[in-house]
Amino acid sequence: GENVEQHPSTLSVQEGDSAVIKCTYSDSASNYFPWYKQELGKRPQLIIDIRSNVGEKKDQRIAVTLNKTAKHFSLHITETQPEDSAVYFCAASMSTGGFKTIFGAGTRLFVKA
Amino acid sequence: NAGVTQTPKFQVLKTGQSMTLQCAQDMNHNSMYWYRQDPGMGLRLIYYSASEGTTDKGEVPNGYNVSRLNKREFSLRLESAAPSQTSVYFCASSNRGPGELFFGEGSRLTVL
Repeated sequence: GENVEQHPSTLSVQEGDSAVIKCTYSDSASNYFPWYKQELGKRPQLIIDIRSNVGEKKDQRIAVTLNKTAKHFSLHITETQPEDSAVYFCAASMSTGGFKTIFGAGTRLFVKA
Repeated sequence: NAGVTQTPKFQVLKTGQSMTLQCAQDMNHNSMYWYRQDPGMGLRLIYYSASEGTTDKGEVPNGYNVSRLNKREFSLRLESAAPSQTSVYFCASSNRGPGELFFGEGSRLTVL
């Protein structure tokens, strides 16, 4: 089955710096790669996603890149702000097998003011 | 719209007791999922239902059972709770195909 690895587990940056979180997946059939943000005590919420027919997607300060050959995808947050502090999860899903979504272990991002 | 609603929000059980977590969605979504969240381990898929009438095992199904009661409702049952099942449980739903998951607020379960 699918396995998603995520690094780093903890990331601390200064306000205004960039943050990068990297994930790898194992199943080449995966074709949908979402990123979720979870604030303390809250439910995970989608912040950006990318499908396998696209190499990069950007939405204001966040961007995601996908390398299908290497089975890598990454989240980039520019000009970080204290409100970006949260746990971020990458995930992988596919069009077969009931569309189940498998998550990475998460990255706790701290943005220091 | 309420989205995805889970009950109860908090529950304390003794080892060996049983309980059912209820989940309902009002978005007319086809697929529903149960995840557990433990510190440092992310969200792990317990069971999922791709459509009404079907259920399948996820990554960590042992000790759990599920029922897709109808298109709206997907329940998770612990027949004989164990301390290892202490966790936060999230129900989620999505529309056709792989896409955004909409999560409930979570249910915090403690097994003593």
